[in-house]
Amino acid sequence: QVQLQESGPGLVKPSETLSLTCTVSGGSISSSSYYWGWIRQPPGKGLAWIGNIFYTGSTYYNPSLMSRVTISVDTSKNQFSLKLSSVTAADTAVYYCARQEAMTTWALWGQGILVTVSP
Amino acid sequence: DIQMTQSPSTLSASVGDRVTITCRASQSISSWLAWFQQKPGKAPNLLIYKASNLESGVPSRFSGSESGTEFTLTISSLQPDDFATYYCQQYNSFPYTFGQGTKLEIK
Repeated sequence: QVQLQESGPGLVKPSETLSLTCTVSGGSISSSSYYWGWIRQPPGKGLAWIGNIFYTGSTYYNPSLMSRVTISVDTSKNQFSLKLSSVTAADTAVYYCARQEAMTTWALWGQGILVTVSP
Repeated sequence: DIQMTQSPSTLSASVGDRVTITCRASQSISSWLAWFQQKPGKAPNLLIYKASNLESGVPSRFSGSESGTEFTLTISSLQPDDFATYYCQQYNSFPYTFGQGTKLEIK
């Protein structure tokens, strides 16, 4: 079955760029049936959508993060990635990658990765 | 942005109870609402999509309904495994938004 796995540094310094990758296994990222996205959750708080990407490279970002976020896709590696620039402590969160279907929204999630922003 | 107001924030209940969690959208979202269950340290798990459709593999004690911009998640008879945090999410329009969550605790 299809699985998603986040990877990347668990510690990022303030003002630097957070970079995460989501690897899709057991299925192709190049499916016209799905969007791929990032969602985050600060410790003890609720969920917040960051953005989506289609396999063609079309993106949709949360306006609250748009100036700092870039999501990209590498179909040859069956991966998509998140870059968040100029991070502060407020960006400390568990970051999830997920697969969205038009009808069912986020039915498949990665396990999540905790990223801490600290000097 | 569409605001999703979820209530209550915390709910104390006993095994066997029938419980209801409500989510109100700040504008029409045309049934594009999902409910998720999240347990500590785990990713959210989709329970209900398009307001009232049960995701495959989810027990039938979970159900969803809607009335205008008010959406309800009902658990007909609480089981020990159901004590968790529940979130609603609208996917009618960008930016997608979540409710603030309801923590379901054992009474």
